[in-house]
Amino acid sequence: QSVLTQPPSTSGTPGQRVTISCSGSSSSIGSNTVNWYQQLPGTAPKLLIYRNNQRPSGVPDRFSGSKSGTSASLAISGLQSEDEADYYCAAWDDSLNGVVFGGGTKLTVL
Amino acid sequence: EVQLVESGGGLVQRGGSLRLSCAGSGFTFSDYWMSWVRQAPGKGLEWVANINQDGSEKYYVASVKGRFTMSRDNAKNSLYLQMNSLRAEDTAVYYCARWGYYYFGMDGWGQGTTVTVSS
Repeated sequence: QSVLTQPPSTSGTPGQRVTISCSGSSSSIGSNTVNWYQQLPGTAPKLLIYRNNQRPSGVPDRFSGSKSGTSASLAISGLQSEDEADYYCAAWDDSLNGVVFGGGTKLTVL
Repeated sequence: EVQLVESGGGLVQRGGSLRLSCAGSGFTFSDYWMSWVRQAPGKGLEWVANINQDGSEKYYVASVKGRFTMSRDNAKNSLYLQMNSLRAEDTAVYYCARWGYYYFGMDGWGQGTTVTVSS
């Protein structure tokens, strides 16, 4: 059971917009910023969004993040086949004194 | 470019020990916190531990406290994870990652090394 809660799967067609939710607590998302990681099949994770809504250099602006209270979300617009991957949210948890991840959401591009 | 290369994984019996290593290059290793993250087969990511720049501060996930020890050698640009009293549930791919202070998260990852604990 992960500390942050994500839907296990979602899907969309090319060009569509999808969102992935991430629910936490006052000691995690409620007190700290949220990062999102993308893990393509068979590869290591990659930082996709940091500090709730910032994109590292090289990440397309089709990816965006937001946070409100103890929840966060990742939006992917103009869905492409290469976006098919697992997506994880993460945040520091002040009560656990460590990083907590969501269980991951598998995105399928139909 | 951040490069992190893990090594030391393998097959070990339950109760045994293993030491993972991670060699960093392409950045000033001693300037960064570092992390270990693991992923059990078919499962999600789980943070294991963080260490600060000089090794004086360490944080561990509850399930490994007292069994795993994270350390570093800045002269060798290397990170380590000493794993003792291994359990079947420690079976996973272990990733070394750079903790970017500006990003407040892992901004560079190795390719991972596989640890299998046989029961």
